[in-house]
Amino acid sequence: GQSLEQPSEVTAVEGAIVQINCTYQTSGFYGLSWYQQHDGGAPTFLSYNGLDGLEETGRFSSFLSRSDSYGYLLLQELQMKDSASYFCAVTRNQGGKLIFGQGTELSVKP
Amino acid sequence: NAGVTQTPKFQVLKTGQSMTLQCAQDMNHEYMSWYRQDPGMGLRLIHYSVGAGITDQGEVPNGYNVSRSTTEDFPLRLLSAAPSQTSVYFCASSRDSYGYTFGSGTRLTVV
Repeated sequence: GQSLEQPSEVTAVEGAIVQINCTYQTSGFYGLSWYQQHDGGAPTFLSYNGLDGLEETGRFSSFLSRSDSYGYLLLQELQMKDSASYFCAVTRNQGGKLIFGQGTELSVKP
Repeated sequence: NAGVTQTPKFQVLKTGQSMTLQCAQDMNHEYMSWYRQDPGMGLRLIHYSVGAGITDQGEVPNGYNVSRSTTEDFPLRLLSAAPSQTSVYFCASSRDSYGYTFGSGTRLTVV
């Protein structure tokens, strides 16, 4: 089987930095990705890590350590519009099978 | 480009009825998937496809069928609707399985 663990809720203030952690247990691990979802709308793709290390895309960065079965999403210069649910997801067996965690609800306060 | 198009956006079914949720993408993506999302929950994989003619089961396949006769279309069939299938259904597609584009969802209520 597989499992992904991420915090259910995180609160931060505007302009701050927040890190959302994700640990996983799965066979056939191929990569870790992150998605954002506002108010039950369509999830949108943020980043993908297939190799260990940091990937940076604007204000968002994502990190993966395959040896620790751990990754995180780092959001910098938080804005009110970043309030949303964030999901980590593992790609299994070289693609096709993308399994999601339960999601972290991020609240950004003024 | 329209991206990933799901129809209908809303549907109410009676227990025991069958229906097909439609999903079409115009990006020539090989990978397509169906998910359901229940309140306060993550997305659970129902079925997925890695190309035309190839489908496989996800985490929660019971009660659902899929087929992939073309690259563009990936319909999800509910065989005999049950109240437990009340959920929001998302279809998604990807060129390389690294990043998926999601449709806007179908909100299904089974009474």
